[in-house]
Amino acid sequence: NAGVTQTPKFQVLKTGQSMTLQCAQDMNHNSMYWYRQDPGMGLRLIYYSASEGTTDKGEVPNGYNVSRLNKREFSLRLESAAPSQTSVYFCASSEVTSGGEQFFGPGTRLTVL
Amino acid sequence: GESVGLHLPTLSVQEGDNSIINCAYSNSASDYFIWYKQESGKGPQFIIDIRSNMDKRQGQRVTVLLNKTVKHLSLQIAATQPGDSAVYFCAEILYSGGYQKVTFGTGTKLQVIP
Repeated sequence: NAGVTQTPKFQVLKTGQSMTLQCAQDMNHNSMYWYRQDPGMGLRLIYYSASEGTTDKGEVPNGYNVSRLNKREFSLRLESAAPSQTSVYFCASSEVTSGGEQFFGPGTRLTVL
Repeated sequence: GESVGLHLPTLSVQEGDNSIINCAYSNSASDYFIWYKQESGKGPQFIIDIRSNMDKRQGQRVTVLLNKTVKHLSLQIAATQPGDSAVYFCAEILYSGGYQKVTFGTGTKLQVIP
């Protein structure tokens, strides 16, 4: 099993450009999450999907949209990138009923110029 | 508001010594607590968890202690090795409507001195 995979690993955007970060998990988990991690700060939840077909805002959703394409895939879209969105983005998944562990992908390092 | 925090941002220990990383939390309703390890350039990795109705849980070389009276969580690493060097996060989990509300601390950097 690959676990949680993310693409791309690195990305540089200009202000105003759009892009989609892709995430997939092969653990048959119901819940998926998108976090951002900034220097000196803990992980902050952007959006989550408790189950296929549902999405909800987290702590810092402004400037982002998500799509739960199917049970495996959960994408994060930046419609008009801003320098404040420069960060490392992590996708995670979990099976709520089996315990609290969230499995994380390797991250996408995004720079917005 | 609810928060999860760490007492020490950086901890340096000699190889072979025991390490103790601390965490304070404020939401007494939390169901679960997890410790994660994050190496440079990688995503967080699960180390050990503990349910709110437990005081102690042991894993391989790691022990988590939960003191609900003072809302304190600690991670003990026995015989610390260079490979233990990383940032350690505590996380506080509350189950609500089939979803996990997870609040992460900012992290403690553990430096192991050879």
